[in-house]
Amino acid sequence: EPEVTQTPSHQVTQMGQEVILRCVPISNHLYFYWYRQILGQKVEFLVSFYNNEISEKSEIFDDQFSVERPDGSNFTLKIRSTKLEDSAMYFCASSVTSGGAYEQFFGPGTRLTVL
Amino acid sequence: RKEVEQDPGPFNVPEGATVAFNCTYSNSASQSFFWYRQDCRKEPKLLMSVYSSGNEDGRFTAQLNRASQYISLLIRDSKLSDSATYLCVVNNRGSQGNLIFGKGTKLSVKP
Repeated sequence: EPEVTQTPSHQVTQMGQEVILRCVPISNHLYFYWYRQILGQKVEFLVSFYNNEISEKSEIFDDQFSVERPDGSNFTLKIRSTKLEDSAMYFCASSVTSGGAYEQFFGPGTRLTVL
Repeated sequence: RKEVEQDPGPFNVPEGATVAFNCTYSNSASQSFFWYRQDCRKEPKLLMSVYSSGNEDGRFTAQLNRASQYISLLIRDSKLSDSATYLCVVNNRGSQGNLIFGKGTKLSVKP
């Protein structure tokens, strides 16, 4: 069964450093998303991406964040200058229209720890 | 008012029990509804979409009441493997819309 993959599974970085989180969405999917989950809290939307551009972003997704689809398979999230509060689990998801229900399928996540 | 509200639990039930989770959402224009399950420190996994007519998948039954903005999930004959956090999720905008998650209800099924 096709699935979303993410690398690395765990990233430890120093405050102020740049990190790039990588995702490979399911191959025939058209919509891509990043979410994050701070430990003990709910899953929160960051950004959605369609047709090579951002279609929606949340208040969390400020100028420190950017997304890119550098080739036909990868989808990346970059945090330019990490803060302690960026420590969280980051999930990539993808979807394709499916009978109007638009189910999104999630990758296993990258645990980001900012020291 | 929170967009998606759930009873946080935990629900501690014996194997074989029937358990029901409830959820309310605040946006009457919400378009799509889902239940996901999340195991500890893992990704949310889609359990089922929720349709207006209600739908069933094996031991799981989901109901939607648009007038009351209320979603439910019923698990019959619960198994040890059902232990997880159940997330009520709403999509307000269809194909490009982001998912809005509840905080989840934790279920623990005991032998």
